[in-house]
Amino acid sequence: KQEVTQIPAALSVPEGENLVLNCSFTDSAIYNLQWFRQDPGKGLTSLLLIQSSQREQTSGRLNASLDKSSGRSTLYIAASQPGDSATYLCAVIFEGVKTSYDKVIFGPGTSLSVIP
Amino acid sequence: KAGVTQTPRYLIKTRGQQVTLSCSPISGHRSVSWYQQTPGQGLQFLFEYFSETQRNKGNFPGRFSGRQFSNSRSEMNVSTLELGDSALYLCASSFYPGGAETQYFGPGTRLLVL
Repeated sequence: KQEVTQIPAALSVPEGENLVLNCSFTDSAIYNLQWFRQDPGKGLTSLLLIQSSQREQTSGRLNASLDKSSGRSTLYIAASQPGDSATYLCAVIFEGVKTSYDKVIFGPGTSLSVIP
Repeated sequence: KAGVTQTPRYLIKTRGQQVTLSCSPISGHRSVSWYQQTPGQGLQFLFEYFSETQRNKGNFPGRFSGRQFSNSRSEMNVSTLELGDSALYLCASSFYPGGAETQYFGPGTRLLVL
């Protein structure tokens, strides 16, 4: 069964600290992996998309890595700010049989609080 | 460029009723995907439409259906509503089908079934 998990479920850090969020998936045959943030009661904002052939993607203070063989991705946030407080979700699109991609499965999310 | 819009934003229905939600993708995007988000199950994929054709479907009962129009706008319908259908329904758009590139999400429609 294809599953996506995220650790930790919740994280609280002081402002300025660097932090790492983890995403694990059970099937290495992935099409791509995407990190999102969700603010309370809002939709999702895409942060980074990593294709299966890539090892990492960077955007500003964010860096996402992908290790398909171990079924893991990490989201690194440098110099955290109170505005980074949100729930972070990873979404994995697994390869399909009939099409190039199959279902997309979201992890449960990590709730991040950055304390001023 | 305007983002993904969803209407209505909030909806209250009673068990047994049916509901239709609407999603307008970013201009030029041809792929629209729908998701259900609940505290217990998290975010779950419902279905994806591309060029008016359903390309992919999640594990939801037949009460959940959708369609896409020639202008790429999409609707999803839930018939015979159950209490467990209370959720935030999100749609997302992209130019190509969701697997190939970043999806852009709308703010969601919050459905409460009483």
